[in-house]
Amino acid sequence: EAQVTQNPRYLITVTGKKLTVTCSQNMNHEYMSWYRQDPGLGLRQIYYSMNVEVTDKGDVPEGYKVSRKEKRNFPLILESPSPNQTSLYFCASTPVGEDEQFFGPGTRLTVL
Amino acid sequence: RKEVEQDPGPFNVPEGATVAFNCTYSNSASQSFFWYRQDCRKEPKLLMSVYSSGNEDGRFTAQLNRASQYISLLIRDSKLSDSATYLCVVRDSGYALNFGKGTSLLVTP
Repeated sequence: EAQVTQNPRYLITVTGKKLTVTCSQNMNHEYMSWYRQDPGLGLRQIYYSMNVEVTDKGDVPEGYKVSRKEKRNFPLILESPSPNQTSLYFCASTPVGEDEQFFGPGTRLTVL
Repeated sequence: RKEVEQDPGPFNVPEGATVAFNCTYSNSASQSFFWYRQDCRKEPKLLMSVYSSGNEDGRFTAQLNRASQYISLLIRDSKLSDSATYLCVVRDSGYALNFGKGTSLLVTP
């Protein structure tokens, strides 16, 4: 089944404890992206990647890192999480030349 | 930052009603336009792309007016299963999507 998977789906952590949210897609898509969704603010892009080893900042990159060592994986790293990073996170992918983005199921993160 | 604006609602309509959502975008150079549907706490899913000529998919009709920078979605004969949040989405250059904050629809029996 073609899909985007994220892990974990739910995470409660404490300020300053490094964490990684994994994202994987099995559709051989070149473009991958991370968004966060907050009440009243809609979805905002954090980082994106056009292909392996090519990443760039979105609208709200502060406090986040990403890597793209393999085409299928695009992990989101929070080196020192803070409470303002409590949010619902979505990973998405799309093939180059196409418009539709396929979203993962979301990761609900709470930072205490 | 380029803006995509939509009425947050909520729109409460009875089954069978026709409901219309509107959206405006600020970047006149925007290239692609979409409506995504998002069910509570789940991932957004593409409902339909929007073209200048207008397009229809069953009970759903989308329109784009580039001159007014305005996008609409019309849902006819509303079903209970149409209850969701509808996201107006615009793509500028590249692949990044700009999302509106969403319009909430509740269809009641």
